[in-house]
Amino acid sequence: KAGVTQTPRYLIKTRGQQVTLSCSPISGHRSVSWYQQTPGQGLQFLFEYFSETQRNKGNFPGRFSGRQFSNSRSEMNVSTLELGDSALYLCASSLTDRVGSGYTFGSGTRLTVV
Amino acid sequence: GQQVMQIPQYQHVQEGEDFTTYCNSSTTLSNIQWYKQRPGGHPVFLIQLVKSGEVKKQKRLTFQFGEAKKNSSLHITATQTTDVGTYFCAGPGSSNTGKLIFGQGTTLQVKP
Repeated sequence: KAGVTQTPRYLIKTRGQQVTLSCSPISGHRSVSWYQQTPGQGLQFLFEYFSETQRNKGNFPGRFSGRQFSNSRSEMNVSTLELGDSALYLCASSLTDRVGSGYTFGSGTRLTVV
Repeated sequence: GQQVMQIPQYQHVQEGEDFTTYCNSSTTLSNIQWYKQRPGGHPVFLIQLVKSGEVKKQKRLTFQFGEAKKNSSLHITATQTTDVGTYFCAGPGSSNTGKLIFGQGTTLQVKP
């Protein structure tokens, strides 16, 4: 079966712009989480959606937002980009609605802000 | 806030040597998960431990969950070059709903 699909794979944006990243979870998975990965901070939780509802949010500014659609696909948006937003953004999906069964990660979107 | 710490940060071993990474949480965990990320790749789920004192094996990999459910370890016997990558432990956030707190990871280099 298809894995978690993230688009685009690479993105270069200018400071002040906004960006939208997309994630299609494994078919049947209703929980989708987003993580930011940087060399300095490691893997940081952004937010988690289940059945179109945001259930958890990490310690990121309001410029970071997301949503989930009825087909479980999810998007995250970052507005007013800053240089420090350059990172690998990973989406992960899970079958159950609670942590415990492991997450399947997508290949990520590498965002570079210049 | 809740923290998950992992040591060492880096480990270089000769092929055939053993390797261990340790994970410690500031709070008691309901479960702990381990992931492996190859260079240039994404984290791949390895295993989940749930019970106090649990030990699970996957071929040359042995995973342990501490009795107090605050620490865990991953041991690789007789490393191979295919073991190269970064190993992360992760525990659920306090709400236990979809939020994972990751350790900083241990990057393993294996010299052939």
